[in-house]
Amino acid sequence: DTEVTQTPKHLVMGMTNKKSLKCEQHMGHRAMYWYKQKAKKPPELMFVYSYEKLSINESVPSRFSPECPNSSLLNLHLHALQPEDSALYLCASSQAKKGFGYTFGSGTRLTVV
Amino acid sequence: RKEVEQDPGPFNVPEGATVAFNCTYSNSASQSFFWYRQDCRKEPKLLMSVYSSGNEDGRFTAQLNRASQYISLLIRDSKLSDSATYLCVVSGNEKLTFGTGTRLTIIP
Repeated sequence: DTEVTQTPKHLVMGMTNKKSLKCEQHMGHRAMYWYKQKAKKPPELMFVYSYEKLSINESVPSRFSPECPNSSLLNLHLHALQPEDSALYLCASSQAKKGFGYTFGSGTRLTVV
Repeated sequence: RKEVEQDPGPFNVPEGATVAFNCTYSNSASQSFFWYRQDCRKEPKLLMSVYSSGNEDGRFTAQLNRASQYISLLIRDSKLSDSATYLCVVSGNEKLTFGTGTRLTIIP
C-alpha cells in the first residue's frame, strides 16, 4: 500500500459547524503532515507530527485542531471556521529521513459557507 | 525574500521541445531537494529527488548547485501529458517548503 487516503473528498460546512478531516497511511511512515492550499498558490504547512507527537504548529489558529491517534492516522478537527478557510487540505506522510520525499493524499476540498 | 523562488511562468511550449525550469532557495542549511508535479485540482506528486551529482529519469534531468543554492529541471522531448504545474521543493527541519510553482502548457 503506497497511498495516503483522505476523507471526505469534499466538505461543505457552516461557520458554526464542527467537522473532522481524516487521513490514513499504511506505509510505516513516522511523520505526517497537514498542508493547506489555496487556488493558484503552493501548499502551506500547518502541522507536523513526528512519531505521533506534534512537533511543528505553524501558528495555525485554534479553530484547527490536529490529532494523531496512532502512527497510521491523522485527523484535523474543524470548529467555527471562516469563509477564508475554504481551501484544499492536503495530508502527507514521509519516512522522516533525509532525502525521502513526501507522499500526499488527494486532499479534502473544503468550502465554508 | 521567499524561501524558495521560481519563475511562475506560464511556459507555453510546442510538443517535442526542451524546456528548463530554475529555482533558488535561501536557507543554506536545507537538506533535501525535490521536484513535484501538480495537475489541476489534484495533489502534488513527487517527480524526482535532486542530487548534487545530477540525476536523470527518462526525459527528465534534475541538477542541484549547493554553492549557488540553485536547482534546475530539464524536460526533453516534451509531451502533451507534461502539461502541469512544477513545484520546486526544499526540505529541512522536518518540513517541506514549496516554491510558487511554474505552470507549463505543452502545445500540440
